[in-house]
Amino acid sequence: DVKVTQSSRYLVKRTGEKVFLECVQDMDHENMFWYRQDPGLGLRLIYFSYDVKMKEKGDIPEGYSVSREKKERFSLILESASTNQTSMYLCASSLGSGRRQTEAFFGQGTRLTVV
Amino acid sequence: ELKVEQNPLFLSMQEGKNYTIYCNYSTTSDRLYWYRQDPGKSLESLFVLLSNGAVKQEGRLMASLDTKARLSTLHITAAVHDLSATYFCAVDIYGGSQGNLIFGKGTKLSVKP
Repeated sequence: DVKVTQSSRYLVKRTGEKVFLECVQDMDHENMFWYRQDPGLGLRLIYFSYDVKMKEKGDIPEGYSVSREKKERFSLILESASTNQTSMYLCASSLGSGRRQTEAFFGQGTRLTVV
Repeated sequence: ELKVEQNPLFLSMQEGKNYTIYCNYSTTSDRLYWYRQDPGKSLESLFVLLSNGAVKQEGRLMASLDTKARLSTLHITAAVHDLSATYFCAVDIYGGSQGNLIFGKGTKLSVKP
């Protein structure tokens, strides 16, 4: 089975802190994604990556950055956390590209609260 | 702007009843996915629909895709409490974006005895 693991289930951080959310997948997937999920807004894509050191902005990249130094690991960074970044963060991965791409497999989620 | 619209967004139904959730999308795509999310949990893949006319069934759930109408349906037969969850459809707008999934807002299903 595909396993996508996020480093924390719950995090509480202070405004202005630098926050790292880590995601690791064990199935050699090329593509990795970070979403945030908010009530009434569904899932919104923050960043995605289709290869090591490659990244693409999603719909809401402002206030976030990402790092993909190794194929299995995709990190989301909040440079200076703000209360409006309180949310559920979901990491996902998928294999292939274009028409050969599989569905996305999701991690368990990190519920981040910024106080 | 690409839109993926699910309806209804909330669905309360009794055990034993049938119902259909609809997922409309506004761009050309022949790849659509359905996911299930239990409260406080992550998303679990339910169905992968990869062509026009695709139909997949698992237990009391059946999903179909009509790419000409840009419509997918998730049909629930004889609902049971265990199906209570939020269901998301996601359209794949692969191509230059290397597989960007656009999600609907989800349908929160509550099955009552």
